[in-house]
Amino acid sequence: AQTVTQSQPEMSVQEAETVTLSCTYDTSESDYYLFWYKQPPSRQMILVIRQEAYKQQNATENRFSVNFQKAAKSFSLKISDSQLGDAAMYFCAYRRNSGGSNYKLTFGKGTLLTVNP
Amino acid sequence: ETGVTQSPTHLIKTRGQQVTLRCSSQSGHNTVSWYQQALGQGPQFIFQYYREEENGRGNFPPRFSGLQFPNYSSELNVNALELDDSALYLCASSSGTSGITGELFFGEGSRLTVL
Repeated sequence: AQTVTQSQPEMSVQEAETVTLSCTYDTSESDYYLFWYKQPPSRQMILVIRQEAYKQQNATENRFSVNFQKAAKSFSLKISDSQLGDAAMYFCAYRRNSGGSNYKLTFGKGTLLTVNP
Repeated sequence: ETGVTQSPTHLIKTRGQQVTLRCSSQSGHNTVSWYQQALGQGPQFIFQYYREEENGRGNFPPRFSGLQFPNYSSELNVNALELDDSALYLCASSSGTSGITGELFFGEGSRLTVL
């Protein structure tokens, strides 16, 4: 079974600074997707960024980027120029690429990010 | 474009009762999945419905059941409620395209408290 581990229950960052959230995962599959989701106090999960395992290039979405190390099974999220609106719970998630229509996500326990003004 | 909506937003039940949670998927989405998020935990996959058929299930007992309707909305039913069923229940929808790329669109959840 696949597992996702986030070893940092809480992190804090000063506004405009950079912070990195860690995630490791365990799988025997070679084809899969990895995601970072954000859950603000409103509770609605929002996709931040995704990475296809077959792509060597790290994904980037504006201020958000990932460091994907497939051999080490590591997938960290870097947030640059942190903003107050970035404060939320961040979840790392895994999905195997089964080729079918089952889109089950396996989530980590989350990292609570606080942004200090 | 209407997003994923869930009802009710909060509810309180007592142990042994039954509960039904509802979800309207995002327009054009034919796949709905349900997740249970206990306090301080990440969401856990309960099951998924695709075109009115269950096509994936997590490690949850049979007292967790669901339905998907022709308009792709969905229900989650939980019988014989236990205290550990207290959680935020998230519904997520996806289409054939968004599902392939992994993007699920989540609702704001239904917070269930079992006393």
